[in-house]
Amino acid sequence: LAKTTQPISMDSYEGQEVNITCSHNNIATNDYITWYQQFPSQGPRFIIQGYKTKVTNEVASLFIPADRKSSTLSLPRVSLSDTAVYYCLVGDIRGGATNKLIFGTGTLLAVQP
Amino acid sequence: GAVVSQHPSRVICKSGTSVKIECRSLDFQATTMFWYRQFPKQSLMLMATSNEGSKATYEQGVEKDKFLINHASLTLSTLTVTSAHPEDSSFYICSAGLTVQGRVTGELFFGEGSRLTVL
Repeated sequence: LAKTTQPISMDSYEGQEVNITCSHNNIATNDYITWYQQFPSQGPRFIIQGYKTKVTNEVASLFIPADRKSSTLSLPRVSLSDTAVYYCLVGDIRGGATNKLIFGTGTLLAVQP
Repeated sequence: GAVVSQHPSRVICKSGTSVKIECRSLDFQATTMFWYRQFPKQSLMLMATSNEGSKATYEQGVEKDKFLINHASLTLSTLTVTSAHPEDSSFYICSAGLTVQGRVTGELFFGEGSRLTVL
């Protein structure tokens, strides 16, 4: 399973765009990149998933360079409610036990007024 | 989206007793569920993979006789912390993957978590 490295924490202000980068140098060919958000005393919540290039949904964008050794989660115009821990996970999602995902340290995003 | 529910959300017990935590997939079937443990200000640590109809697969360092996992149906997995001690106090979280037409979508759905406090 590919190991991930993220900044421990980031600070931002309301209305700003936040980019959180994750390194995964030993990502395997079949691995996908998934980001989760976790609020205190709650289970993680799926944000976005991608394999290469760019993926966008209603809450975030995910940028993956050609070598796939890193990825960047982009949150447009954050609000106070986006204060949470964000986890980058890498793994083969194709089935059964291969869905096993190992969480790294995560990035604590603190959004200030 | 798919919903995974855990019960109880909070439990306080005396040292030496056993506690059972349930994890249910409410609107989908899950052949595989995962159990995590999270200590304050730390990341989630995978404890075991729960497989419907077969034995669970435990991660290295997790005592299978202490953390009993049963996955008797496609919608229910249980984690029993046996002879709990204060060091077992933690936030326990389960997750399940969504399968559509036999293929896993790759998105894991997590329960709300269960906070165990052992006195």
